[in-house]
Amino acid sequence: AQSVTQLDSHVSVSEGTPVLLRCNYSSSYSPSLFWYVQHPNKGLQLLLKYTSAATLVKGINGFEAEFKKSETSFHLTKPSAHMSDAAEYFCVVSDLGGNQFYFGTGTSLTVIP
Amino acid sequence: DAGVTQSPTHLIKTRGQHVTLRCSPISGHKSVSWYQQVLGQGPQFIFQYYEKEERGRGNFPDRFSARQFPNYSSELNVNALLLGDSALYLCASTPLGGYSNQPQHFGDGTRLSIL
Repeated sequence: AQSVTQLDSHVSVSEGTPVLLRCNYSSSYSPSLFWYVQHPNKGLQLLLKYTSAATLVKGINGFEAEFKKSETSFHLTKPSAHMSDAAEYFCVVSDLGGNQFYFGTGTSLTVIP
Repeated sequence: DAGVTQSPTHLIKTRGQHVTLRCSPISGHKSVSWYQQVLGQGPQFIFQYYEKEERGRGNFPDRFSARQFPNYSSELNVNALLLGDSALYLCASTPLGGYSNQPQHFGDGTRLSIL
C-alpha cells in the first residue's frame, strides 16, 4: 500500500528565511510523488512532481524537492520564504495505476513578517 | 483556458437529505476524480471515472455515488446526509486515466454543510 507521512503539522518561519517541509513515503514500487499547496477556501495547486526522471525537482514559486530513495523522503524546500507562501501544503503519492492519490495530513506554513 | 469548475460553491443541507455536486473538467481531460476533505485533514479519495466508467473507489459507503457524462463532466451524489458528511468536496481532472505520473488538476471545491 502507498502512503505518505508529513512529519510536521505546523511550521513557522520568518520572511526571507529558508523553508523545509518534510515528507516520508511508503511504496512497494517506484513512486510518483507530488507536492500541492492549498490557500484558505481554495482548491489545490500543483507545486511540483517527481516521476523518476531527476531526483531534484524544481517547481513553481521557487520551491523544489529532492527524492531520496535511501531515506524514503521527498522534502519540500524554498531558499527564502515570502508572505504569500503562507498556506497548507500536502505531500501526495499516487497508486501504481494512477487512479488514486494518497494525501498526507498536511503541513500548515506560517510566515512571520 | 478554464480550469476545473465545480458547482455550487457552497451548499447547506439538513440530515437525511440528498445532494448533487457537479464538476466540469479541463477541456480535453477525460478523467475525473472526487475527494472529500474534512476540516483540518487531507483530501480522501472517493471515486475516479474515466471514459464514463468507474476506475477506482475509495472507502466510502454506498450512500455516495457518481457518474460521468459523454462530455466528461461528472456528478457526485450523496444520499441520506449525515452530519459527518460536512466537508469540502474536491473534483480533479487528468487528461487520461491509469497513468501514475499525471498530476491531477483541482477545482476550488464545493463546501457542503449539514445542519
